[in-house]
Amino acid sequence: SQQGEEDPQALSIQEGENATMNCSYKTSINNLQWYRQNSGRGLVHLILIRSNEREKHSGRLRVTLDTSKKSSSLLITASRAADTASYFCATDGGFQKLVFGTGTRLLVSP
Amino acid sequence: DTAVSQTPKYLVTQMGNDKSIKCEQNLGHDTMYWYKQDSKKFLKIMFSYNNKELIINETVPNRFSPKSPDKAHLNLHINSLELGDSAVYFCASSPMGAGGDKTQYFGPGTRLLVL
Repeated sequence: SQQGEEDPQALSIQEGENATMNCSYKTSINNLQWYRQNSGRGLVHLILIRSNEREKHSGRLRVTLDTSKKSSSLLITASRAADTASYFCATDGGFQKLVFGTGTRLLVSP
Repeated sequence: DTAVSQTPKYLVTQMGNDKSIKCEQNLGHDTMYWYKQDSKKFLKIMFSYNNKELIINETVPNRFSPKSPDKAHLNLHINSLELGDSAVYFCASSPMGAGGDKTQYFGPGTRLLVL
């Protein structure tokens, strides 16, 4: 069955606001990744957080991981119209295998 | 320079036909994948090859046959296409991560429409 589920399914905000999306998963993990998918494009890796890390930053991105709750969140600060995309979490599902969540569709309006 | 490329980008075909999608990566990665993304954006792995050897085969109908002539190429052949095969197919590649990292690099996708 599907490993990760994202919440919310869709999020609409104004430029400059922060966007937070959450991912919950079911089994133990070694790491969790976030990917972005622009409309009509392939997925692009954003950030990876290991199971022994609680928080990680990359530019305007902040990822948290709570292994006790089996959940992660992705925060995009000071969002821009160019951040409009679908965002997916992915967990390791065994040897060289990623299991993707359902995705959050983010719309950032100018 | 494109890291992971797929051809064709669009494929429209009739039910019952046989078609192939090609994928190439110039990143020097050992592992390549095929994913299917349905209309609800759900992304599911189909196959994975490591150094030309099949390592993941996820309960995919045997009408789908992957082939890896070398570690830079992974093709997908689909026999007797069905309406339910309509989806976007993504190729991806990754290095063998020393720490178990599995960061994957995706191609632009092939949009398959079966009529």
